[in-house]
Amino acid sequence: GAVVSQHPSRVICKSGTSVKIECRSLDFQATTMFWYRQFPKQSLMLMATSNEGSKATYEQGVEKDKFLINHASLTLSTLTVTSAHPEDSSFYICSARDHLAKNIQYFGAGTRLSVL
Amino acid sequence: TQLLEQSPQFLSIQEGENLTVYCNSSSVFSSLQWYRQEPGEGPVLLVTVVTGGEVKKLKRLTFQFGDARKDSSLHITAAQPGDTGLYLCAGVRGANNLFFGTGTRLTVIP
Repeated sequence: GAVVSQHPSRVICKSGTSVKIECRSLDFQATTMFWYRQFPKQSLMLMATSNEGSKATYEQGVEKDKFLINHASLTLSTLTVTSAHPEDSSFYICSARDHLAKNIQYFGAGTRLSVL
Repeated sequence: TQLLEQSPQFLSIQEGENLTVYCNSSSVFSSLQWYRQEPGEGPVLLVTVVTGGEVKKLKRLTFQFGDARKDSSLHITAAQPGDTGLYLCAGVRGANNLFFGTGTRLTVIP
């Protein structure tokens, strides 16, 4: 099946620094990728929809200047958490939608971000 | 805003027992998906149901989509420890965006 690679799987950083998370579709092209956030023992909350070659669409309450999304190619989207603070600590998960099978999203393994 | 409410939120049962997880919403979805997620990993798609009233079986798992396409259920027969995990329903609306349910954490005790 289709594979989505998310990197890094875990990152620990100091407060005030920025962290970049990569999401790659390995064997298919994804015009649309999604970024989710998951707090412990909770469900996934959609943060933003990343569209190749255009600006991302952010969900209500998600700061676009805080969570920078770049989708420069059909196989790569990045999420940068700028000036991270402890409250940004969470599990971030990306998914990619195969442009040929638009009703299916393939999920990455997630990135555990811990901000000290 | 959580559009999909799952119940129960937590469930701990003995191996061999049966269980049902419910996913309810006041909104209509074009389709509904069920995922299972293990700690530290992304969710894995189990099934997609599309038609109101549809029933799909995946080995010991039976999925049903409500007639009005607002709710769904997951029934597991003879649960095994390997079934332990977080079960998530997700409704599909609009441009195939997923709206995840609140989740049901299942623990199957050997």
